[in-house]
Order: sequence, then C-alpha cells, then structure tokens
Amino acid sequence: GQSLEQPSEVTAVEGAIVQINCTYQTSGFYGLSWYQQHDGGAPTFLSYNALDGLEETGRFSSFLSRSDSYGYLLLQELQMKDSASYFCAGSYGNKLVFGAGTILRVKS
Amino acid sequence: SQTIHQWPATLVQPVGSPLSLECTVEGTSNPNLYWYRQAAGRGLQLLFYSVGIGQISSEVPQNLSASRPQDRQFILSSKKLLLSDSGFYLCAWDKGVPDTQYFGPGTRLTVL
Repeated sequence: GQSLEQPSEVTAVEGAIVQINCTYQTSGFYGLSWYQQHDGGAPTFLSYNALDGLEETGRFSSFLSRSDSYGYLLLQELQMKDSASYFCAGSYGNKLVFGAGTILRVKS
Repeated sequence: SQTIHQWPATLVQPVGSPLSLECTVEGTSNPNLYWYRQAAGRGLQLLFYSVGIGQISSEVPQNLSASRPQDRQFILSSKKLLLSDSGFYLCAWDKGVPDTQYFGPGTRLTVL
C-alpha cells in the first residue's frame, strides 16, 4: 500500500531550528509535499519536492532523498506562530496520501 | 486568482439524517477535486476524487457518496448519517498533478 510515517510530536524553543522527518513507500511515488495546519483551520501548502535535494522557501526548507525513501521539512528561526500540525504527503497517481501529521509546539 | 468555497462551516445533524455538503471552485477550469475527512487530532483521509464532470473515484467504501454535476462543483452526500461520520470535511483542488492542493475552509460535522 501507500503510507507515510512521521513523528507524532516535536517540541522546540523560539529561534531554534527543527527538522520533521517523513518516510514513504516507493511504489507509484513521484513527489513529496508538505502542508501546515493550524488548529481549526485548513491545511495550506508549504513545499514540494519531485527531485532529490533541498528546496528553500524563506525560513522553511524541504529535502527529498529518493534512494532512502525519505524527506524532511526544516524550519529555521522558529516563531510562536509556527506552532501547528505539519503533514507530509506523497503524490501517487491522481492523489495525495497524507501522513498522520506532526504536532510542532514552539516554546518561548 | 482561484478561490475555493465550502458550506456550511459547521453542521450538527442527528443520526440517520441525510447530508449534503457543497464545494465550489472559482478562477480555474477543469480542476481535479477531492473530498477528505479528518478526525480530531488525526491525518487526512481521502474519501473521493474527481478528474472531470461525472467522474468519481471512491477511496473508502462507506455510506457517503459524491457527485460532480458541474466542472467546478463537488458535492458530498449521505442518505443516513452514522455517529462515525462526525469529523472535519475538507474539499480541495489541484490542476492535474496532485503536488500542490488548495483546500477549502472545511465543514465541521457533528453527528449526535
């Protein structure tokens, strides 16, 4: 089947760097996305990797290694507003398959 | 620019009652459309997706159904709601390659 694994919860302090890892199943996979969801809100797109390597968008970066079936989201200079759930999602055919999400708690 | 609408925002329904949730997209044509359900504190479960008018793919067999009567309209329905149907229902769209999906504001459904 198609499933993605990510940690359930991560805690970090304001100003720090945090990495959220995601592993995926390779059959039919062609790209990895990341979404942010604040409490009570809808998910919003953060980044997408179709090729190996690092994609940078401001304080957020995303990485993909196809040989390791692994990716991560890197958040730098953490702010309190970054406290949210983060989902990795694999592109398989006509659909995205989402991981269960990682709750990021940023402490002051 | 593109906009996705969902309504209602919240809904409380008794067990056994029917359901109809509507989603519309503006500012694009021939989008792929998706219905997801999210239980509290959980990930997104894909329920249905559609690549065109009248074309519906079901991911999870249950008492829900979906229809796409117009290019930018996607409807989620049930004839008789179950307690287990409670959750946060999200509609989303993309333009063919599901790497970047855009979500509507969601409908929070409580079945009592």
